[in-house]
Amino acid sequence: TQLLEQSPQFLSIQEGENLTVYCNSSSVFSSLQWYRQEPGEGPVLLVTVVTGGEVKKLKRLTFQFGDARKDSSLHITAAQTGDTGLYLCAGENNNNNDMRFGAGTRLTVKP
Amino acid sequence: ETGVTQSPTHLIKTRGQQVTLRCSSQSGHNTVSWYQQALGQGPQFIFQYYREEENGRGNFPPRFSGLQFPNYSSELNVNALELDDSALYLCASSLALGKNTEAFFGQGTRLTVV
Repeated sequence: TQLLEQSPQFLSIQEGENLTVYCNSSSVFSSLQWYRQEPGEGPVLLVTVVTGGEVKKLKRLTFQFGDARKDSSLHITAAQTGDTGLYLCAGENNNNNDMRFGAGTRLTVKP
Repeated sequence: ETGVTQSPTHLIKTRGQQVTLRCSSQSGHNTVSWYQQALGQGPQFIFQYYREEENGRGNFPPRFSGLQFPNYSSELNVNALELDDSALYLCASSLALGKNTEAFFGQGTRLTVV
């Protein structure tokens, strides 16, 4: 059972388009992390958001943490083929030492 | 390149057998977490080790066990393998317990149980 729900599950777009993927939960997290995973590899951390309402930008990627620290979004501007991959969100709360992952959004950017 | 290495990269086992997977954590990291990632799913937390002690466990049966060594490398052992144990097993190392610490993942071990 996934504590974090990610949507959409699959997304296929053309190079140059913009997109937003979502990560939602009924639980409050002390922090939330976004990872990108390529086939046959482990997840690679993109960003950690900590404060409710926080917005972080990483080149063409914009990450937002919801005010209540239950949800997050990732927006990619002018997608490139190199953005193709599985985008995972993971939440950490104050009671547990483990991170709970969503099932991911599989993004395909076509040339 | 995260500095976290896992071995072997691929493994095929028969149902009922036992398997040991290994993880060498990034230099200076004292915490290792293990995850199981089934096809099309996100990683599921198995357990975490901090300074050689288990420090948290997910919803996995006792036939999943682990060890952490004084050099902070770690092993995941699975007994009585079942077909559903086929998955990518990931380990992640981090500097310390606590909140908002960054975890670095290895490339994983792809286990196939036949």
